[in-house]
Amino acid sequence: DAGVTQSPTHLIKTRGQHVTLRCSPISGHKSVSWYQQVLGQGPQFIFQYYEKEERGRGNFPDRFSARQFPNYSSELNVNALLLGDSALYLCASSLALTGQTTGELFFGEGSRLTVL
Amino acid sequence: KNQVEQSPQSLIILEGKNCTLQCNYTVSPFSNLRWYKQDTGRGPVSLTIMTFSENTKSNGRYTATLDADTKQSSLHITASQLSDSASYICVVSALNFNKFYFGSGTKLNVKP
Repeated sequence: DAGVTQSPTHLIKTRGQHVTLRCSPISGHKSVSWYQQVLGQGPQFIFQYYEKEERGRGNFPDRFSARQFPNYSSELNVNALLLGDSALYLCASSLALTGQTTGELFFGEGSRLTVL
Repeated sequence: KNQVEQSPQSLIILEGKNCTLQCNYTVSPFSNLRWYKQDTGRGPVSLTIMTFSENTKSNGRYTATLDADTKQSSLHITASQLSDSASYICVVSALNFNKFYFGSGTKLNVKP
């Protein structure tokens, strides 16, 4: 079975541009969550989606948005990129909402974004 | 404020030795606590998940403990191997809130 897949794996953008990152969850998983990991730090929670609805949001500005499609894949969009948005963006999938359960979270390998 | 603090920030040990990593949290109300292993440039991989009622959980050479009263957890690694070199991240989730609070991780380096 394929794990969580993310694309692109690496990308370079300039300040002010927009970026879209994509995530395909493990087959059968209905929840996708997104995380930002700046070099040398732990991941920071951005969003969690379940059944195509936003179910959790971290402390990120409105420049960050996401959506989940009927096939449970997801996109993370970041507008007006800043240098500080340079990070590894991780996607994780799970069968259900994991904040309140002990369901396993499976992470993808991430998309490395560099903003110049 | 909900926070997760890990210590030490980094640790160097010799192959075959044991080590213990610490995690203190202020997340409330508590739902569960997870330990993840993250190799450099890769996604985190789950080691253990514990709820309020569990105080010890093992996964091979990894043993996690949880004291929900003092809001502390530890991850003990037995007979370390070179492949244990990685960052270990503590993650706490809050009941009724679909949010995850991550620690900054402990970077472990196992030397031959």
